[in-house]
Amino acid sequence: NAGVMQNPRHLVRRRGQEARLRCSPMKGHSHVYWYRQLPEEGLKFMVYLQKENIIDESGMPKERFSAEFPKEGPSILRIQQVVRGDSAAYFCASSKVGQSNTGELFFGEGSRLTVL
Amino acid sequence: GDSVTQMEGPVTLSEEAFLTINCTYTATGYPSLFWYVQYPGEGLQLLLKATKADDKGSNKGFEATYRKETTSFHLEKGSVQVSDSAVYFCALSSGNTPLVFGKGTRLSVIA
Repeated sequence: NAGVMQNPRHLVRRRGQEARLRCSPMKGHSHVYWYRQLPEEGLKFMVYLQKENIIDESGMPKERFSAEFPKEGPSILRIQQVVRGDSAAYFCASSKVGQSNTGELFFGEGSRLTVL
Repeated sequence: GDSVTQMEGPVTLSEEAFLTINCTYTATGYPSLFWYVQYPGEGLQLLLKATKADDKGSNKGFEATYRKETTSFHLEKGSVQVSDSAVYFCALSSGNTPLVFGKGTRLSVIA
């Protein structure tokens, strides 16, 4: 499958635990974006990364959330000490070139986090 | 900042009905405009796009025209099918800013 791969598809955590969501971009894509979709709401931008660099994290909560995209391996979105309000679908998208007004993002199927 | 407003759903239509989903935007400069579609249990897919005023994007029978004077990018389809049931998102991008999405409009088409 040459598409954007996210795992796990579903993740259940108890309050206070850590959640790690992984995203492998499409082959040849070096730009990764994370979006969060809360129930009955649209997608909210969280962070934009290139290999080993965070380009734009203006949508990331200031605490408990972090993201990385190492030289080797998938991009990881990490949520520490999860709370019920973190329950959402987290979508990863990738692109070949940086965001531009003609660019297209390719989305994964999402990781659905449920916090008990 | 940039924002997208689209009509609230859900929208329920009978097969072969005409579809319009309204979308208006606020942006500095001249954004590109997009419609994405999310089928149940899947991620978003680009449906169509337009990069400048008066451009018309089209795909799979859907079309939308970039109207700068009314800051709108309404999605239309002449005859919907059950398989079109999905959530539709209007989005914009200004230069290198992240894609900004509307809240989505759920469409249900009944046979």
